[in-house]
Formats: sequence, structure tokens, C-alpha cells
Amino acid sequence: EAGVVQSPRYKIIEKKQPVAFWCNPISGHNTLYWYRQNLGQGPELLIRYENEEAVDDSQLPKDRFSAERLKGVDSTLKIQPAELGDSAVYLCASSLRGQGRDEQFFGPGTRLTVL
Amino acid sequence: KNEVEQSPQNLTAQEGEFITINCSYSVGISALHWLQQHPGGGIVSLFMLSSGKKKHGRLIATINIQEKHSSLHITASHPRDSAVYICAVSFNNDMRFGAGTRLTVKP
Repeated sequence: EAGVVQSPRYKIIEKKQPVAFWCNPISGHNTLYWYRQNLGQGPELLIRYENEEAVDDSQLPKDRFSAERLKGVDSTLKIQPAELGDSAVYLCASSLRGQGRDEQFFGPGTRLTVL
Repeated sequence: KNEVEQSPQNLTAQEGEFITINCSYSVGISALHWLQQHPGGGIVSLFMLSSGKKKHGRLIATINIQEKHSSLHITASHPRDSAVYICAVSFNNDMRFGAGTRLTVKP
């Protein structure tokens, strides 16, 4: 079974440019998470989807970040415009919620560098 | 204050040593997770536990719910165990992560 797929793995852009990350969760997983991980820190939740609905986006900087999961499967996270402080690893995870099955499976991440 | 605190922040060991990483949390949880992150970013789940103890190969994870504390042990450590080990807790349909412990095992 394929794991969580993310692309690209690495991205280098100049500040003020837009960037997008893509995530395909494990087949059948209804919950999808986007995290941001700064160097030397643990992941921080940006947004959580239950199917196609964003149920927790309280930590998403909505002035420049947006996300979508239109068909409740794959998802895109966008930053426009990017700032120097956005340099981080962006992790996608998925899980099959319900009946206590909240174990999350993580993708390899996208390492973003903003110059 | 972070809901999840790990110690030590960095740990260097010689091959073969017994290693312990500690995690304390301050909220009521439904489960605690130990994760491994290698350079490059990918995270692998090692354990998910809500009570007692679990063992997988050379890895052992324990949790004390009353004391809100968990430990990850590695027996007979090997250089390939070098990674960042992250403690995370599930609560209120949410998940919180510790900052991680960077482990380096030298041959």
C-alpha cells in the first residue's frame, strides 16, 4: 500500500513569489493534516480536513496561506506571497478517524527555502 | 508553555549503549505517540500507546498516565538509530508535538 505522497520534495523560491504543495493521502483516509515544522521544533498544525471540510484552520495564516481538498482526497497548500519566515518543512499526514483510529501517517515533507 | 516537553534536547551515545528519551505532557490525552524523523523530513510512527508498555525489536515505550510521563528506550543502540525522536499526544481531536530529541549514535 502506498503511503502519503507529497510533491515537490524541495522548493527554493524568492520572497514574494507564490508556491504550492501537493499531498495525496493514504487511500481511504478521511482526515488530512497540513503541518509546518521549523528547524529544531516539532510540527505545528496548519489545517485539518475531515473529508472535504476544513474543521480546524485556526493556525493557518489566512492572509497568505490557503488550502483546498475539493473532492476529499488529495489536497493543495498554497502560499502567496511567500516571506522569508515561511522557510520550513511542510508535512502532510492522513488518518482514518473514528473508533479510536487516530494514528497519523506522515508524508516525506516538502522542504521550502525562501530567499 | 508547550503541552509536550521532551528531554534531553540532544543526545550523543556510543554504539551499544542503552538510551532513554523522556516525554512529559500537561493535558489529558487519548494516546501518546513516539515518532522518528530522519534527515530529509519524513516521519515514521514508532509507537502509539495509551497505557503500559510496548516493545518492537530494540525499542521499548512506556507510559505512566497518572504521572503524565512516557519514556522511549533503545537497547544496544546502533548508528542507524541516529534520528530525531518526537513525542506527540492526541487529545480533543487534536495532536501536539514535542520539539524532538536529536539522537546521534557514534560507531
